Amino acid sequence: DTAVSQTPKYLVTQMGNDKSIKCEQNLGHDTMYWYKQDSKKFLKIMFSYNNKELIINETVPNRFSPKSPDKAHLNLHINSLELGDSAVYFCASSLIKNSPLHFGNGTRLTVT
Amino acid sequence: GDSVTQMEGPVTLSEEAFLTINCTYTATGYPSLFWYVQYPGEGLQLLLKATKADDKGSNKGFEATYRKETTSFHLEKGSVQVSDSAVYFCALSGETSYDKVIFGPGTSLSVIP
Repeated sequence: DTAVSQTPKYLVTQMGNDKSIKCEQNLGHDTMYWYKQDSKKFLKIMFSYNNKELIINETVPNRFSPKSPDKAHLNLHINSLELGDSAVYFCASSLIKNSPLHFGNGTRLTVT
Repeated sequence: GDSVTQMEGPVTLSEEAFLTINCTYTATGYPSLFWYVQYPGEGLQLLLKATKADDKGSNKGFEATYRKETTSFHLEKGSVQVSDSAVYFCALSGETSYDKVIFGPGTSLSVIP
């Protein structure tokens, strides 16, 4: 009965490859997010979707493309991976604006 | 734009010591304020929140009071345990930042027996 689940938990790949991370929430929330956490634990928002509509798109390279097939799912596809993309990526969801975020356990991406 | 500043870590305390982690923010209007905790290998979890000035959020022995006059939301606990070892993030959700939660840089806490 995991609330926000991400797959895979670990992802090791080579530079130049394309990879996807999947996220699903069973909380009935309307808004979903992708956050990137660097090696110093700093969290930066990347994208936010509300009812399948993109509402936040921070300054992220266009190699990153989110897709929301329905309001319970938000996937992240990354093209042409670079060393600097190595980080932990967190999916999160919230019920409404200003309500608390519920996070998944993260996907640790390592680009070699 | 909106921002959150936290005291730098790491912080190391002995069990049963008093904990304070300072947090100050910059935002227009009246943001909602949060503390999240991240245990090793896990995602962030909400620890407590406050939505208006002078509100006190509390949970698991932790407390924080929303101080509009000093734009602060300091986290306190009277007696820490080894199990409190984690990274703590102060965060805000502002009136002008639609659905965007802004996080501080995090403060790592280690509690030793």
